[in-house]
Amino acid sequence: AQSVTQPDIHITVSEGASLELRCNYSYGATPYLFWYVQSPGQGLQLLLKYFSGDTLVQGIKGFEAEFKRSQSSFNLRKPSVHWSDAAEYFCAVGRAAGNKLTFGGGTRVLVKP
Amino acid sequence: GAVVSQHPSRVICKSGTSVKIECRSLDFQATTMFWYRQFPKQSLMLMATSNEGSKATYEQGVEKDKFLINHASLTLSTLTVTSAHPEDSSFYICVIAGEQETQYFGPGTRLLVL
Repeated sequence: AQSVTQPDIHITVSEGASLELRCNYSYGATPYLFWYVQSPGQGLQLLLKYFSGDTLVQGIKGFEAEFKRSQSSFNLRKPSVHWSDAAEYFCAVGRAAGNKLTFGGGTRVLVKP
Repeated sequence: GAVVSQHPSRVICKSGTSVKIECRSLDFQATTMFWYRQFPKQSLMLMATSNEGSKATYEQGVEKDKFLINHASLTLSTLTVTSAHPEDSSFYICVIAGEQETQYFGPGTRLLVL
Protein backbone atom coordinates (compact mmCIF):
# COMPACT_ATOMS: atom_id res chain seq x y z
CA ALA A 1 0.00 0.00 0.00
CA GLN A 2 1.17 3.49 -0.70
CA SER A 3 1.87 5.94 2.10
CA VAL A 4 3.14 9.48 2.46
CA THR A 5 5.01 11.00 5.38
CA GLN A 6 5.52 14.66 6.04
CA PRO A 7 7.89 14.68 9.01
CA ASP A 8 7.35 18.32 9.94
CA ILE A 9 3.96 19.21 11.39
CA HIS A 10 4.79 22.90 11.80
CA ILE A 11 7.44 25.10 10.27
CA THR A 12 8.00 28.76 11.08
CA VAL A 13 10.02 30.82 8.66
CA SER A 14 10.82 34.50 8.37
CA GLU A 15 9.50 36.42 5.41
CA GLY A 16 12.12 36.46 2.69
CA ALA A 17 13.85 33.35 3.96
CA SER A 18 13.96 30.07 2.08
CA LEU A 19 11.55 27.23 2.77
CA GLU A 20 11.85 23.50 2.35
CA LEU A 21 9.07 21.05 3.15
CA ARG A 22 9.89 17.39 3.35
CA CYS A 23 7.89 14.56 1.86
CA ASN A 24 8.74 10.87 1.85
CA TYR A 25 6.62 8.27 0.14
CA SER A 26 6.32 4.55 0.05
CA TYR A 27 5.18 3.00 -3.18
CA GLY A 28 6.23 -0.05 -5.14
CA ALA A 29 6.27 1.45 -8.61
CA THR A 30 6.95 4.83 -10.15
CA PRO A 31 4.73 7.21 -8.25
CA TYR A 32 2.71 10.15 -9.36
CA LEU A 33 3.56 12.90 -6.88
CA PHE A 34 1.76 16.10 -6.02
CA TRP A 35 2.03 19.10 -3.73
CA TYR A 36 -1.10 21.00 -2.72
CA VAL A 37 -1.60 24.12 -0.64
CA GLN A 38 -4.63 24.85 1.52
CA SER A 39 -5.31 28.26 3.02
CA PRO A 40 -7.44 28.38 6.17
CA GLY A 41 -11.01 27.39 5.50
CA GLN A 42 -10.33 26.91 1.81
CA GLY A 43 -10.06 24.05 -0.64
CA LEU A 44 -6.85 22.62 -2.04
CA GLN A 45 -4.85 24.20 -4.82
CA LEU A 46 -2.33 22.25 -6.87
CA LEU A 47 1.17 23.69 -6.67
CA LEU A 48 2.97 21.19 -8.85
CA LYS A 49 3.11 17.56 -9.88
CA TYR A 50 5.63 14.99 -11.03
CA PHE A 51 4.83 12.12 -13.36
CA SER A 52 8.06 11.50 -15.26
CA GLY A 53 11.00 13.22 -16.91
CA ASP A 54 12.99 16.01 -15.32
CA THR A 55 13.16 15.36 -11.60
CA LEU A 56 13.13 19.06 -10.76
CA VAL A 57 9.61 20.34 -11.19
CA GLN A 58 8.57 23.95 -11.31
CA GLY A 59 5.20 24.98 -9.98
CA ILE A 60 3.10 28.02 -9.36
CA LYS A 61 3.85 30.79 -6.88
CA GLY A 62 7.60 30.27 -7.20
CA PHE A 63 7.61 26.76 -5.76
CA GLU A 64 9.67 23.86 -7.01
CA ALA A 65 10.10 20.26 -5.96
CA GLU A 66 12.71 17.63 -6.60
CA PHE A 67 11.99 13.94 -7.01
CA LYS A 68 14.73 11.72 -5.60
CA ARG A 69 13.99 8.10 -6.23
CA SER A 70 16.94 6.86 -4.17
CA GLN A 71 15.59 8.68 -1.13
CA SER A 72 11.89 8.18 -1.90
CA SER A 73 11.48 11.90 -1.42
CA PHE A 74 9.71 14.76 -3.13
CA ASN A 75 10.66 17.86 -1.16
CA LEU A 76 9.09 21.23 -1.87
CA ARG A 77 11.17 24.40 -1.89
CA LYS A 78 10.79 28.11 -2.29
CA PRO A 79 13.79 30.47 -2.30
CA SER A 80 12.04 33.41 -0.64
CA VAL A 81 8.73 33.12 1.16
CA HIS A 82 6.05 35.75 1.24
CA TRP A 83 3.57 36.33 4.05
CA SER A 84 0.87 34.98 1.74
CA ASP A 85 2.61 31.59 1.73
CA ALA A 86 1.36 30.92 5.24
CA ALA A 87 -0.89 27.90 4.78
CA GLU A 88 -1.03 24.14 5.11
CA TYR A 89 0.86 22.11 2.55
CA PHE A 90 0.04 18.55 1.58
CA CYS A 91 2.13 16.07 -0.33
CA ALA A 92 0.22 13.31 -2.10
CA VAL A 93 0.99 10.18 -4.10
CA GLY A 94 -1.14 8.38 -6.64
CA ARG A 95 -0.85 5.17 -8.59
CA ALA A 96 -1.84 6.93 -11.77
CA ALA A 97 -2.49 10.46 -12.84
CA GLY A 98 -6.23 10.37 -12.53
CA ASN A 99 -6.40 7.91 -9.71
CA LYS A 100 -7.16 8.27 -6.04
CA LEU A 101 -4.56 10.00 -3.93
CA THR A 102 -2.96 9.22 -0.61
CA PHE A 103 -2.15 12.38 1.30
CA GLY A 104 0.51 13.09 3.85
CA GLY A 105 -0.41 14.55 7.20
CA GLY A 106 0.35 18.08 6.10
CA THR A 107 2.82 20.74 7.19
CA ARG A 108 1.57 24.04 8.53
CA VAL A 109 3.77 26.95 7.53
CA LEU A 110 3.83 30.11 9.60
CA VAL A 111 5.56 33.19 8.21
CA LYS A 112 7.09 35.71 10.60
CA PRO A 113 7.34 39.36 9.53
CA GLY B 1 -9.38 23.21 -16.70
CA ALA B 2 -12.60 21.90 -15.30
CA VAL B 3 -14.58 23.94 -12.80
CA VAL B 4 -15.99 22.04 -9.87
CA SER B 5 -18.63 23.37 -7.54
CA GLN B 6 -20.00 22.03 -4.30
CA HIS B 7 -23.25 22.90 -2.64
CA PRO B 8 -23.73 23.83 0.07
CA SER B 9 -20.41 25.33 1.07
CA ARG B 10 -21.38 25.15 4.72
CA VAL B 11 -24.15 23.32 6.49
CA ILE B 12 -25.19 22.99 10.12
CA CYS B 13 -27.65 20.29 11.03
CA LYS B 14 -29.05 18.56 14.06
CA SER B 15 -27.90 15.15 15.09
CA GLY B 16 -29.96 12.42 13.46
CA THR B 17 -30.83 14.31 10.31
CA SER B 18 -29.52 13.60 6.82
CA VAL B 19 -27.50 16.00 4.74
CA LYS B 20 -26.96 15.93 0.99
CA ILE B 21 -23.86 17.45 -0.57
CA GLU B 22 -23.77 18.06 -4.30
CA CYS B 23 -20.66 18.08 -6.45
CA ARG B 24 -21.02 19.47 -9.93
CA SER B 25 -18.65 19.54 -12.84
CA LEU B 26 -19.55 22.71 -14.70
CA ASP B 27 -17.68 22.17 -17.94
CA PHE B 28 -16.36 18.65 -17.95
CA GLN B 29 -17.91 15.22 -18.20
CA ALA B 30 -16.74 13.49 -15.08
CA THR B 31 -16.70 9.74 -15.41
CA THR B 32 -14.89 9.33 -12.12
CA MET B 33 -15.20 11.37 -8.98
CA PHE B 34 -13.61 10.92 -5.58
CA TRP B 35 -14.99 11.93 -2.21
CA TYR B 36 -12.56 12.86 0.56
CA ARG B 37 -13.10 14.12 4.06
CA GLN B 38 -10.82 16.17 6.22
CA PHE B 39 -11.27 16.34 9.98
CA PRO B 40 -10.05 19.49 11.74
CA LYS B 41 -6.28 19.83 11.69
CA GLN B 42 -5.93 16.53 9.85
CA SER B 43 -5.16 15.41 6.34
CA LEU B 44 -7.55 14.34 3.60
CA MET B 45 -8.77 10.78 3.68
CA LEU B 46 -10.39 9.12 0.70
CA MET B 47 -13.91 7.91 1.42
CA ALA B 48 -15.03 6.49 -1.89
CA THR B 49 -14.57 6.43 -5.62
CA SER B 50 -17.65 7.18 -7.66
CA ASN B 51 -18.09 6.09 -11.26
CA GLU B 52 -20.95 7.37 -13.35
CA GLY B 53 -23.73 4.88 -13.65
CA SER B 54 -22.34 2.33 -11.24
CA LYS B 55 -22.07 1.77 -7.52
CA ALA B 56 -19.41 3.63 -5.62
CA THR B 57 -16.37 1.85 -4.25
CA TYR B 58 -15.82 2.61 -0.58
CA GLU B 59 -12.55 2.63 1.30
CA GLN B 60 -12.07 0.33 4.21
CA GLY B 61 -13.76 1.63 7.32
CA VAL B 62 -16.24 3.86 5.50
CA GLU B 63 -19.84 2.80 5.99
CA LYS B 64 -21.56 2.69 2.63
CA ASP B 65 -25.01 2.75 4.22
CA LYS B 66 -24.19 5.89 6.12
CA PHE B 67 -22.47 7.76 3.30
CA LEU B 68 -24.66 7.30 0.26
CA ILE B 69 -23.07 8.27 -3.03
CA ASN B 70 -25.03 8.74 -6.22
CA HIS B 71 -23.23 9.51 -9.47
CA ALA B 72 -26.21 9.49 -11.78
CA SER B 73 -24.83 11.79 -14.47
CA LEU B 74 -21.51 12.91 -15.89
CA THR B 75 -21.85 16.29 -14.22
CA LEU B 76 -23.30 15.50 -10.82
CA SER B 77 -22.37 13.34 -7.87
CA THR B 78 -24.05 13.55 -4.49
CA LEU B 79 -22.93 12.45 -1.06
CA THR B 80 -25.65 11.99 1.53
CA VAL B 81 -24.65 11.70 5.16
CA THR B 82 -27.50 9.77 6.73
CA SER B 83 -28.40 10.11 10.38
CA ALA B 84 -25.54 12.50 10.92
CA HIS B 85 -23.81 12.64 14.29
CA PRO B 86 -21.32 15.13 15.72
CA GLU B 87 -18.42 12.85 14.83
CA ASP B 88 -19.40 13.27 11.16
CA SER B 89 -18.57 16.97 11.37
CA SER B 90 -15.86 17.43 8.79
CA PHE B 91 -14.81 19.09 5.56
CA TYR B 92 -16.03 17.05 2.59
CA ILE B 93 -14.25 17.49 -0.72
CA CYS B 94 -15.06 16.07 -4.12
CA VAL B 95 -12.42 15.61 -6.79
CA ILE B 96 -12.93 14.98 -10.47
CA ALA B 97 -10.49 12.87 -12.42
CA GLY B 98 -9.97 14.95 -15.53
CA GLU B 99 -8.10 14.76 -18.78
CA GLN B 100 -4.41 15.30 -19.32
CA GLU B 101 -3.45 13.69 -16.03
CA THR B 102 -5.21 16.27 -13.93
CA GLN B 103 -7.49 16.16 -10.94
CA TYR B 104 -9.88 18.97 -10.18
CA PHE B 105 -10.75 19.72 -6.58
CA GLY B 106 -14.05 21.12 -5.44
CA PRO B 107 -14.02 23.95 -2.90
CA GLY B 108 -15.30 21.68 -0.16
CA THR B 109 -18.35 21.55 2.09
CA ARG B 110 -17.99 22.14 5.79
CA LEU B 111 -20.48 20.09 7.79
CA LEU B 112 -21.19 20.78 11.43
CA VAL B 113 -23.51 18.41 13.25
CA LEU B 114 -24.87 19.67 16.54
